[in-house]
Amino acid sequence: GENVEQHPSTLSVQEGDSAVIKCTYSDSASNYFPWYKQELGKRPQLIIDIRSNVGEKKDQRIAVTLNKTAKHFSLHITETQPEDSAVYFCAASNRQTSYDKVIFGPGTSLSVIP
Amino acid sequence: EADIYQTPRYLVIGTGKKITLECSQTMGHDKMYWYQQDPGMELHLIHYSYGVNSTEKGDLSSESTVSRIRTEHFPLTLESARPSHTSQYLCASRGLARTDTQYFGPGTRLTVL
Repeated sequence: GENVEQHPSTLSVQEGDSAVIKCTYSDSASNYFPWYKQELGKRPQLIIDIRSNVGEKKDQRIAVTLNKTAKHFSLHITETQPEDSAVYFCAASNRQTSYDKVIFGPGTSLSVIP
Repeated sequence: EADIYQTPRYLVIGTGKKITLECSQTMGHDKMYWYQQDPGMELHLIHYSYGVNSTEKGDLSSESTVSRIRTEHFPLTLESARPSHTSQYLCASRGLARTDTQYFGPGTRLTVL
């Protein structure tokens, strides 16, 4: 079945440094790739997403890149701040069908050290 | 304000009890989902629905059942709670459009003694 792998499972960075989280997906029909941030004790919230017709998307300090050929996509956070500390989930789905399911990666726990 | 609501937020219950976790959304979404998640860990899809009278089992085997009689309401029921059911349960929803985002509810943290 479809699956999404995510690495690393934990990541510690110094405040101000960059953080990169990488994901791979198995279903070549996937065309929508959201990223969710889940702070401790809170619900996952969408922070950025990318569709298969785009190779890169940026929103302030956050960027996502997509390599459809290799079935890889990555989240880049620059100038990290302590409030970026959270669990990040990548996901993939095929939005061409009405019956799409979002397949989540296992998550990356990011700690930003002040 | 349009949102997803889950009740109760916390529940501590004894083994063998029947429980229903409520999920309601005022976002007008057709698609709804239930996930099981241990704190900070992987999200496991246990049930989903594409509309009224539509329910499907997810990827993680679950002893729970769901119903979808009204568009806005998607309750999850455990007929006989066990300690292995202790976890957080997250409800989610999204619209039918291909561009629609999936939103999550605040979750119900269940402890079965």
